[in-house]
Amino acid sequence: AQSVTQLGSHVSVSEGALVLLRCNYSSSVPPYLFWYVQYPNQGLQLLLKYTSAATLVKGINGFEAEFKKSETSFHLTKPSAHMSDAAEYFCAVTLPYNGNQFYFGTGTSLTVIP
Amino acid sequence: DVKVTQSSRYLVKRTGEKVFLECVQDMDHENMFWYRQDPGLGLRLIYFSYDVKMKEKGDIPEGYSVSREKKERFSLILESASTNQTSMYLCASSLWRQGITYEQYFGPGTRLTVT
Repeated sequence: AQSVTQLGSHVSVSEGALVLLRCNYSSSVPPYLFWYVQYPNQGLQLLLKYTSAATLVKGINGFEAEFKKSETSFHLTKPSAHMSDAAEYFCAVTLPYNGNQFYFGTGTSLTVIP
Repeated sequence: DVKVTQSSRYLVKRTGEKVFLECVQDMDHENMFWYRQDPGLGLRLIYFSYDVKMKEKGDIPEGYSVSREKKERFSLILESASTNQTSMYLCASSLWRQGITYEQYFGPGTRLTVT
């Protein structure tokens, strides 16, 4: 079975500081991994995805994530936080041959302090 | 751009009522999904459909049913609404091709309150 753990349900950073949101996965085979963002009262929007190509993946709005097989991690980073980054972030895992079943983490709420 | 729309943003229903949540996608996607989102629990899959009239149970199907009569439309039905079904409901869709995983595109959500 696959699962995702997001460490830290709430993260606060100052504007301009590094953003680091953690995601660890459990999978019996190399998975595909996704980060989604949810702004207040909206649906989820894809930030970036890892599908077994380059391990460092760049996404929208300056975010990137690195797939580290040895650590079973896919942490999301952004060098400099902006006020507009305040949102809920979800990590998700799926299997390459069964993309119908996505497993989502419980989410991390990011607060950006001016 | 892919667009997934949901019939209502906010809905208030009474216990025991039959509730229909509608979802429409405009990109000819084969797969459609219904999730519920609760604080601290993330997203949990209720049902998904990979073709017209085809459906599979997700992790929490109890108390729900679905209908997919047309490719672009996927409905979630609460046969007899209960207070523990108060939640945010998210619809999603994705392409399907053999052996390829595609990202899911989400609608804006329906916040359902059952009183």
